[in-house]
Amino acid sequence: DAKTTQPPSMDCAEGRAANLPCNHSTISGNEYVYWYRQIHSQGPQYIIHGLKNNETNEMASLIITEDRKSSTLILPHATLRDTAVYYCIGPSGSARQLTFGSGTQLTVLP
Amino acid sequence: EAQVTQNPRYLITVTGKKLTVTCSQNMNHEYMSWYRQDPGLGLRQIYYSMNVEVTDKGDVPEGYKVSRKEKRNFPLILESPSPNQTSLYFCASSWRHPSYEQYFGPGTRLTVT
Repeated sequence: DAKTTQPPSMDCAEGRAANLPCNHSTISGNEYVYWYRQIHSQGPQYIIHGLKNNETNEMASLIITEDRKSSTLILPHATLRDTAVYYCIGPSGSARQLTFGSGTQLTVLP
Repeated sequence: EAQVTQNPRYLITVTGKKLTVTCSQNMNHEYMSWYRQDPGLGLRQIYYSMNVEVTDKGDVPEGYKVSRKEKRNFPLILESPSPNQTSLYFCASSWRHPSYEQYFGPGTRLTVT
């Protein structure tokens, strides 16, 4: 299984960039890294995913190191509504599941 | 609007009384899945379905059943609920398999007394 490691919590000032790290040293060459977030007890929301190149969409940017052992999710201008648990996910061994870890609680402070 | 719906949203029941939580998606997705979420344990997958009539166990399938008779529906069945099944349940779907963006339902909070 592609195990991921994230810090349990982070704070970020409103309007500043939030950089959320993730280690996935066991990920294999053809496995994607996915990011989801969960606001309070709502259903998780997809943010972005990537394989080896950096990715950007309207929500965030994903920077993946060249060795693919870690990545960083960047929220360029965090708002209070970005306060959530952010999950960095790699696929399980069967490639038919996504295994959610414990994630990072991001708190955006006013 | 593309969405995953779950019903009921909240349910309090007693031990041993069979219940069904429904899940429906309107996106013609092939892949559907059920998760439970408990404090300190995160999201754990119960069952998933790659397509109609194709279901498989996730990480915590004990005490649950599912069926996939139609593409849009994926009900979760608790034949004899027990208090340790008190949890927050989420249904999710994606186009082909979880490598594609998963859409999650709003959740069902179940309490078994």
